[in-house]
Amino acid sequence: RKEVEQDPGPFNVPEGATVAFNCTYSNSASQSFFWYRQDCRKEPKLLMSVYSSGNEDGRFTAQLNRASQYISLLIRDSKLSDSATYLCVVEKFGNEKLTFGTGTRLTIIP
Amino acid sequence: GAGVSQTPSNKVTEKGKYVELRCDPISGHTALYWYRQSLGQGPEFLIYFQGTGAADDSGLPNDRFFAVRPEGSVSTLKIQRTERGDSAVYLCASRWGPQASGELFFGEGSRLTVL
Repeated sequence: RKEVEQDPGPFNVPEGATVAFNCTYSNSASQSFFWYRQDCRKEPKLLMSVYSSGNEDGRFTAQLNRASQYISLLIRDSKLSDSATYLCVVEKFGNEKLTFGTGTRLTIIP
Repeated sequence: GAGVSQTPSNKVTEKGKYVELRCDPISGHTALYWYRQSLGQGPEFLIYFQGTGAADDSGLPNDRFFAVRPEGSVSTLKIQRTERGDSAVYLCASRWGPQASGELFFGEGSRLTVL
């Protein structure tokens, strides 16, 4: 089983819709969680960290469920500029290696 | 510049040749990472440096791959006897230190093509 698993998509959703991605991780010792965004042929960039209590940044909401070992990202009122690949990232306690998922490709359709 | 710099941006080589990829991290960042990304995949961890030492090299696929960071700043990823399967984008990233905010700052990558 992969350490971090994501549905690769693609997700094609109309502009203005709400879209949600899930990510599961296998190592219960994982400590820190993140969502990165990667545009086509560009480098990944941090979108947001994921906290146990859940956190929101504008139209983006991230949730962590430690018991079920999954992380979610919700995008509300999607914009054309949200089209990208969203990478789930997990960092294990005591080990500074950050493990990336395969990424979920999102395309917002006008 | 202020960001992570990687050279070359593109490298085409023949099977069996030796390749060096360079990474210049953000000034002051003690942690440096190398990842490899193939088309349609997420970045795959190769090696992580804290200062001059390789703290975790568990992702290096075999002994043809080696990386150094002799002065705790610039790092070089070295690939011997390249194979077609080594073709990928090699990404370098840096951050302040272990588990410091979690944010990795990536360079634009070095695209390696082995013919």
